[in-house]
Amino acid sequence: AQSVTQLGSHVSVSEGALVLLRCNYSSSVPPYLFWYVQYPNQGLQLLLKYTTGATLVKGINGFEAEFKKSETSFHLTKPSAHMSDAAEYFCAVKGSSASKIIFGSGTRLSIRP
Amino acid sequence: DAGVTQSPTHLIKTRGQQVTLRCSPKSGHDTVSWYQQALGQGPQFIFQYYEEEERQRGNFPDRFSGHQFPNYSSELNVNALLLGDSALYLCASSLRTGVQEQYFGPGTRLTVT
Repeated sequence: AQSVTQLGSHVSVSEGALVLLRCNYSSSVPPYLFWYVQYPNQGLQLLLKYTTGATLVKGINGFEAEFKKSETSFHLTKPSAHMSDAAEYFCAVKGSSASKIIFGSGTRLSIRP
Repeated sequence: DAGVTQSPTHLIKTRGQQVTLRCSPKSGHDTVSWYQQALGQGPQFIFQYYEEEERQRGNFPDRFSGHQFPNYSSELNVNALLLGDSALYLCASSLRTGVQEQYFGPGTRLTVT
């Protein structure tokens, strides 16, 4: 079985500051890992994904995440926050043989001017 | 290339009524998954359709049913609506093979009064 824990339901950073959103997962098989972003009143957009291979994954809008198997983590980072990054972010896990994606409860990112 | 589309955008129903939500997958995708997203929570998997059959189901009652058509589009039906069914209903499409990363539609906001 798979599960996801997102640490911090709300994160607030200043514009230009580092963004760090934390995600820990549990999986009985080597996982596929995803980060999605959701803007108000919209669906989810895929930011990045980890499947196999390189553990540092780069996504859209300057975001990246690192898969750390020993820590069962997949934290999302961005070096410099922009006002347009304000949104809800969801970490998700999928077992390699499963059909469904398990989502975390989400982290709301606010950007201070 | 059209992405995932859903209709209607918003819907208001009364307790006890029935509702049908519709989804057209991204071009080239053959698998459709449905999720329920309650306010302030992550999406919860309802079921997945492939080759016009329900392939996997989450922890939802039989009041939730679906259908997939030969053109891969899908419907979600909910009978005997409860106040707790008020949520954003998301459709996601993917390819059956490989990583099966999912692409989401904008969702249908269902309000049950």
